[in-house]
Amino acid sequence: ILNVEQSPQSLHVQEGDSTNFTCSFPSSNFYALHWYRWETAKSPEALFVMTLNGDEKKKGRISATLNTKEGYSYLYIKGSQPEDSATYLCAFPLPYSSASKIIFGSGTRLSIRP
Amino acid sequence: GAGVSQSPSNKVTEKGKDVELRCDPISGHTALYWYRQSLGQGLEFLIYFQGNSAPDKSGLPSDRFSAERTGGSVSTLTIQRTQQEDSAVYLCASSLLAGGQIGTQYFGPGTRLLVL
Repeated sequence: ILNVEQSPQSLHVQEGDSTNFTCSFPSSNFYALHWYRWETAKSPEALFVMTLNGDEKKKGRISATLNTKEGYSYLYIKGSQPEDSATYLCAFPLPYSSASKIIFGSGTRLSIRP
Repeated sequence: GAGVSQSPSNKVTEKGKDVELRCDPISGHTALYWYRQSLGQGLEFLIYFQGNSAPDKSGLPSDRFSAERTGGSVSTLTIQRTQQEDSAVYLCASSLLAGGQIGTQYFGPGTRLLVL
């Protein structure tokens, strides 16, 4: 059974602090890993698509790293702001031969305290 | 260009009634997914359409759920004889295939279904 796990489940951070959380995924048959941000009352929005071992992607204060050999990705937020409060989802697309599903983790719910 | 749209945005229905939820994907996106999020839960995969291939229905929770995609574009998710546990946000997403794999998913705003 393929499993995508995210930790922690929830996180409360003081405004201005930096934080990070983890996505673990199967290390075999890796194709890509997606990160999404899901704000309350909105739709999930793509942050990054990561494909290469050692990849590091950055978007403003948010960055992500990828280790495909050990099967994990970290998402970092530097200098958290209230607008960063959201659920962060990672997703693992299965190989095309496996009915092309994409498996989402259960997310890390981030709350920023002003 | 237009993103993924869904209708209705909210639906309140009585237990036992049928409901239809609509998704209009981004033009040219061959892959279309339905998910739902029940209260306090993560995203639950329901069904996947890719081009003219047979849909992957492995996530549908019961035979009361069905979906179709007409002309490779608009999709309708139908829930028959709704139950209270069907109350959830139903999300649709579309994507392109990149090298035979799923690309970034673009999500619609969702339909909030409440079954009384």
